[in-house]
Amino acid sequence: SQTIHQWPATLVQPVGSPLSLECTVEGTSNPNLYWYRQAAGRGLQLLFYSVGIGQISSEVPQNLSASRPQDRQFILSSKKLLLSDSGFYLCAWSTTDRFNEKLFFGSGTQLSVL
Amino acid sequence: KQEVTQIPAALSVPEGENLVLNCSFTDSAIYNLQWFRQDPGKGLTSLLLIQSSQREQTSGRLNASLDKSSGRSTLYIAASQPGDSATYLCAVKGSGGSNYKLTFGKGTLLTVNP
Repeated sequence: SQTIHQWPATLVQPVGSPLSLECTVEGTSNPNLYWYRQAAGRGLQLLFYSVGIGQISSEVPQNLSASRPQDRQFILSSKKLLLSDSGFYLCAWSTTDRFNEKLFFGSGTQLSVL
Repeated sequence: KQEVTQIPAALSVPEGENLVLNCSFTDSAIYNLQWFRQDPGKGLTSLLLIQSSQREQTSGRLNASLDKSSGRSTLYIAASQPGDSATYLCAVKGSGGSNYKLTFGKGTLLTVNP
């Protein structure tokens, strides 16, 4: 069966510090991978998605970046965090099967930038 | 631009009651619609996925319907239980150029009182 791992679960970082959140998927190959952010009262916002190694599409201009160094690894990074980067970050994956393409989420990372 | 609205934003019901959660979307050109459940501080769990050609999907006590032409979906929960308490989100996937993007509603916070 497929599983998705996301860590850390919580993170408190000072403004201006770097960020690295990691997500890995097991039990499937060539998944579509996604990073979402969930801010209070604003719903889920798609940040990045990837359909293959090294292929990253950005949805929202920001000081965040994403990388996919391996097929089942997706990393969210920042060189210098802003207060506005606080939120709940969710990694997700889906198959490329158009008839069975449910979205499966990780357990999330609560990021507080102080 | 697709917009997804969920009404009500919060709902409190006594245990055993049947209930309906509503989801509406502005652009009927969708590929599918998903309903998710989110427990506090956790990731999202996919409950039901309805393809655009389908009218409804059922899983246990849950039944989701889709009326694409009117831009509406409902999630029916039968015989509600305290364990059903969570936030329920719907998301639509467009059938246009942005094939990888889901647009989420802000969710309905459901509380089932024992």
